[in-house]
Amino acid sequence: ETGVTQTPRHLVMGMTNKKSLKCEQHLGHNAMYWYKQSAKKPLELMFVYNFKEQTENNSVPSRFSPECPNSSHLFLHLHTLQPEDSALYLCASSLNRGQGQPQHFGDGTRLSIL
Amino acid sequence: SQQGEEDPQALSIQEGENATMNCSYKTSINNLQWYRQNSGRGLVHLILIRSNEREKHSGRLRVTLDTSKKSSSLLITASRAADTASYFCATAAGSYQLTFGKGTKLSVIP
Repeated sequence: ETGVTQTPRHLVMGMTNKKSLKCEQHLGHNAMYWYKQSAKKPLELMFVYNFKEQTENNSVPSRFSPECPNSSHLFLHLHTLQPEDSALYLCASSLNRGQGQPQHFGDGTRLSIL
Repeated sequence: SQQGEEDPQALSIQEGENATMNCSYKTSINNLQWYRQNSGRGLVHLILIRSNEREKHSGRLRVTLDTSKKSSSLLITASRAADTASYFCATAAGSYQLTFGKGTKLSVIP
């Protein structure tokens, strides 16, 4: 039981589809993160939310659109994705955004773009 | 730019042996953390060591930090098959972001 739940676990979509990834945390944390994990590359931070406010967007293409309706839920809306977007997308949370606090991760969504 | 870099990239040992993984980084840090990732799962936080600490223990894990060499090591003693996973170091340097390395893939053979 990680405390951070991601759905779906696997997603296959065509380049013209629109889909959303969901993340929910039950840890009472105030900061939430989206990461992209590709083979043989370091974990890439995509977005950071702190108290529902987006505080970081690491030059992520606009075909990825995050949404954070409250401190417990985080979404990643996907549209018109490219084959190179196939990866494991990980959600994480921490108590707050301050100075490298330990992060708790979900098990990720394995995304495959056809 | 990549901050933490683990070495070796892959490590294969027999059950019961000790496993040592190293992490090097480039800039000053507030803390350094180690995470484990089992196949098909998310990362799990193992241990955090602050920049003013030199060594830390947690169960069979021992972490050292040498800020003069900008390096850390993770020692897993008396390894078990269940320790088979990828291990990542992550550095916190000034900002709130964690910067992860590419990881060390550990295989423990029963």
